[in-house]
Amino acid sequence: SQQGEEDPQALSIQEGENATMNCSYKTSINNLQWYRQNSGRGLVHLILIRSNEREKHSGRLRVTLDTSKKSSSLLITASRAADTASYFCAADSNYQLIWGAGTKLIIKP
Amino acid sequence: KAGVTQTPRYLIKTRGQQVTLSCSPISGHRSVSWYQQTPGQGLQFLFEYFSETQRNKGNFPGRFSGRQFSNSRSEMNVSTLELGDSALYLCASSYGLGDTEAFFGQGTRLTVV
Repeated sequence: SQQGEEDPQALSIQEGENATMNCSYKTSINNLQWYRQNSGRGLVHLILIRSNEREKHSGRLRVTLDTSKKSSSLLITASRAADTASYFCAADSNYQLIWGAGTKLIIKP
Repeated sequence: KAGVTQTPRYLIKTRGQQVTLSCSPISGHRSVSWYQQTPGQGLQFLFEYFSETQRNKGNFPGRFSGRQFSNSRSEMNVSTLELGDSALYLCASSYGLGDTEAFFGQGTRLTVV
């Protein structure tokens, strides 16, 4: 399967703490994207990092990309209850997104 | 700007029937992709269309087909439905050129009984 892998599968942290999720993929990519999915709002794009970039920030999000290791990480700082969702990485390759299995993040009040 | 619209939202079909799902992309977007999401297999790529041409296809049987119209709207068809086709089918639209994000619709929940 071309599917990527993510770890951890599930993560439960206290509100205010940081959350880190990791993703690995198998193919060469144009870019790597992160999405959030919760039951109410479907899949929402969070951030895109190009294959020639190593790190990118957007608000409370920080993404890193290591193309030599075919891996990426997503850091969410100062977590909030509204961050509770599933997070997916998606490798953009040849006009398709190849998805990781997702990390289920629960923020405890 | 209106988002990606998928219709219908929910569908119940019987084994052996066929189904057509519709996706209206964001205005100006020329690329439409389809994905199947199931608890066991996660998100799987079905196919991608750009300006009415299929540019890539995933590893699904020929029962799964799609097309895109000149106004960028897209349909996917599944013939001879099987129980295993029960899933959330997601459509995504984007400009389709360079490094651009994909915008997803709410999906069509298909249940095959």
